[in-house]
Amino acid sequence: EPEVTQTPSHQVTQMGQEVILRCVPISNHLYFYWYRQILGQKVEFLVSFYNNEISEKSEIFDDQFSVERPDGSNFTLKIRSTKLEDSAMYFCASTDSSYNEQFFGPGTRLTVL
Amino acid sequence: QKEVEQNSGPLSVPEGAIASLNCTYSDRGSQSFFWYRQYSGKSPELIMFIYSNGDKEDGRFTAQLNKASQYVSLLIRDSQPSDSATYLCAVSWYSSASKIIFGSGTRLSIRP
Repeated sequence: EPEVTQTPSHQVTQMGQEVILRCVPISNHLYFYWYRQILGQKVEFLVSFYNNEISEKSEIFDDQFSVERPDGSNFTLKIRSTKLEDSAMYFCASTDSSYNEQFFGPGTRLTVL
Repeated sequence: QKEVEQNSGPLSVPEGAIASLNCTYSDRGSQSFFWYRQYSGKSPELIMFIYSNGDKEDGRFTAQLNKASQYVSLLIRDSQPSDSATYLCAVSWYSSASKIIFGSGTRLSIRP
């Protein structure tokens, strides 16, 4: 069964460093998303991406964040200068239709020291 | 602000009983409703989705939607210890690349 994959599973970084989180969505999916979940809190929407551009972004997704689909398979989230409060689980999701269920990857746990 | 509200629990149910999970949402324009299951440290896993008023059954799971009351529920019949997890209610809309808004989840514990 096709699945969304994410790398790395755990990333530790120093405050102020740049990180890139990588995702490979399901191959025939067209809509891509990033969500995050701070430990013990709810899953929060960050950004949606369709047709090679951002469709919507949340207030969390400020100028420190960017997304890219550099080739036909990868979807990346870059955090330019990490802060302590960026420590969270980051989930990539994809779907083949804007009103169908989204399939989530296993997540990348980001720890900012 | 579009909100999804759930009782955080924990909800403790004996094995073999029916577990009932509830959720309300604030945006009357919400169009798609989802129940995800999340084990500790893992990603959300879709259990059921529902678009229309009424009940939708899938195996041991039944989702119920009442748009007039802005209320969604999930019933789990014949609860098993493996059903112990956090259940996330979520809503979405029919628009391009629509996001999902999640509730904070209800922690369900099935006691043997």
